Order: sequence, then structure tokens, then C-alpha cells
Amino acid sequence: SQTIHQWPATLVQPVGSPLSLECTVEGTSNPNLYWYRQAAGRGLQLLFYSVGIGQISSEVPQNLSASRPQDRQFILSSKKLLLSDSGFYLCAWSISVWTYEQYFGPGTRLTVT
Amino acid sequence: ELKVEQNPLFLSMQEGKNYTIYCNYSTTSDRLYWYRQDPGKSLESLFVLLSNGAVKQEGRLMASLDTKARLSTLHITAAVHDLSATYFCAVDIWRDDKIIFGKGTRLHILP
Repeated sequence: SQTIHQWPATLVQPVGSPLSLECTVEGTSNPNLYWYRQAAGRGLQLLFYSVGIGQISSEVPQNLSASRPQDRQFILSSKKLLLSDSGFYLCAWSISVWTYEQYFGPGTRLTVT
Repeated sequence: ELKVEQNPLFLSMQEGKNYTIYCNYSTTSDRLYWYRQDPGKSLESLFVLLSNGAVKQEGRLMASLDTKARLSTLHITAAVHDLSATYFCAVDIWRDDKIIFGKGTRLHILP
């Protein structure tokens, strides 16, 4: 069966510090991978998605970046965090055979202070 | 551009009552998804609806899809407190590699 991991689970970082969040998927090959952010009490904002190694599509211009160095690994980064980067970061995967149903990881809660 | 609208965005209801959450979308699609999110937790897939007239039920929740009206409904029967959560619908356009989420409906069921 497939599983998706995210770490860390919780992170508190000062403004201006760098960020690296990691997501890995097990039990499947060549998944589509997605990064979402959810501000407190709000909906989901799609940040990046990837359909293959090295292929990244950016949905929102901002100080974040994403990389996919391996088939089942997706990394979200920032060189300098802003207060507005606080939120709940969710990674998801899908296999586009019949649907784009997405399966979500447990999330990383980021607080920028 | 595909837009997905849910209403209501917030719903407070008594246990034992029935209610419906609506999900409208702006572009032709026959694939719609419902997710549940508990406070502080991630999203869990509830239903995948893949054709016009599709109906799926699990427990007190029933979802349906009318692709001609571009409308899906999530019906709650005899609500119980455990169903308190935020419910998201999402729609995809084939070969677009992503799905578009509604803003979510926060459901609060009073005991």
C-alpha cells in the first residue's frame, strides 16, 4: 500500500531564516506531487506541483521554491521566510490513470515568528 | 479558468437534523471529489464521483453529481457530533494534472 510522509511535523522559525520541508511517497512510482498551504481557518492554496523528476509548475509567485530530486521526493524551500509564510503545509500525491484523486500527507505546521 | 464554489461556508446544526452542502463549478467536468478535514489534521478522501448521476454513500453521508448542472451535493442524514469537520469539494479538468478545491464548508454539529 502507498504511504506519504512529511517532516518535520511542526516547525517554528524566525523571520528571514531558510526553510526546507520534505515529502516522500512510498509504494508507488512516478506519482504527481503537490504542495499546498493552508492559512489558519482558510482554504487550500496550491503552491507547486510536479509530474516528474525535475519538472516543477509554480502556481503562485512568492519567496518559496520546490524541487523534485527523486521520483518520490518533493521538497519545499525558502531562502528567507516571511511572517505570511506561516501556515499548514500539505503534500499530496496522485496517479493520473483514471482520476486525479489526491492523497494527502499529515502536514507540517509552520510558525514564523 | 475553473472556479469551484461551496455553500454554505459555515454551517451550525443540531444533532439529528438533515442538511445539504452544495458545490458548484464553472467548467465542464465529470470528475468530482469530496474530502474531510478534522481540526488540525490533514485531508481525508471521502468520495470520488466520476460520471453524471453518480451517487455514493457512506454512513450518514451521501454525495451526488449532476454534470449538466455542474453541481454536486453532500447530504448529511441525522447528523451526529462526530461529523463536525470541514468538507471540501474539488474538481479536475482532465490532463490539467491538478484539481481545484472549493473554500470548504465548516460544519459544526451541536450535541
